[in-house]
Amino acid sequence: AQTVTQSQPEMSVQEAETVTLSCTYDTSESDYYLFWYKQPPSRQMILVIRQEAYKQQNATENRFSVNFQKAAKSFSLKISDSQLGDAAMYFCAYRPDQTGANNLFFGTGTRLTVIP
Amino acid sequence: ETGVTQTPRHLVMGMTNKKSLKCEQHLGHNAMYWYKQSAKKPLELMFVYSLEERVENNSVPSRFSPECPNSSHLFLHLHTLQPEDSALYLCASSPYWDSSYEQYFGPGTRLTVT
Repeated sequence: AQTVTQSQPEMSVQEAETVTLSCTYDTSESDYYLFWYKQPPSRQMILVIRQEAYKQQNATENRFSVNFQKAAKSFSLKISDSQLGDAAMYFCAYRPDQTGANNLFFGTGTRLTVIP
Repeated sequence: ETGVTQTPRHLVMGMTNKKSLKCEQHLGHNAMYWYKQSAKKPLELMFVYSLEERVENNSVPSRFSPECPNSSHLFLHLHTLQPEDSALYLCASSPYWDSSYEQYFGPGTRLTVT
């Protein structure tokens, strides 16, 4: 069974500083996809960044980047130059690379507070 | 309105009521999903529809009944719910089910069962 663990229920960061959110996962698969989703207080979840397990290069999207450690099954999200709009719940998600299944397995989330 | 919409946004119902949640996607996607989001628990996938056919049913109690009349609309019919069914119900869609395309989420329906 695939499980996703986010060990930090809450995090806070000063505006303009950098914060890293942790995520680990458990799988016996070699091919899969990893995602970070952001859920602002209005509750509509949006994709922040995705990583294909077969790619060694860490994904980046503007101020968001990941540290993907396949052997350690770790997938952390780094937010640089934090902004007030980054305050939200962040969910790490895993998807096995199986045909016929776009099922996501989510962690319990990390609530990020940005301090002005 | 664009993206994925859900109505109602809030719903309070008694255990003997029957109600329905509605989801509509304006993205031309072929796959739609229902998730249950409870506090301090991972999102739970409930149902998946691909091209209007149910392809996943993750051991969801029969008091939840999904319906997908076309690829743009998804309903979740509720009857004789329990207080533990109170949660945020999220709808999502993706271009196809059998791919790694991202899922686009709606804002959710906050359900309270009294």
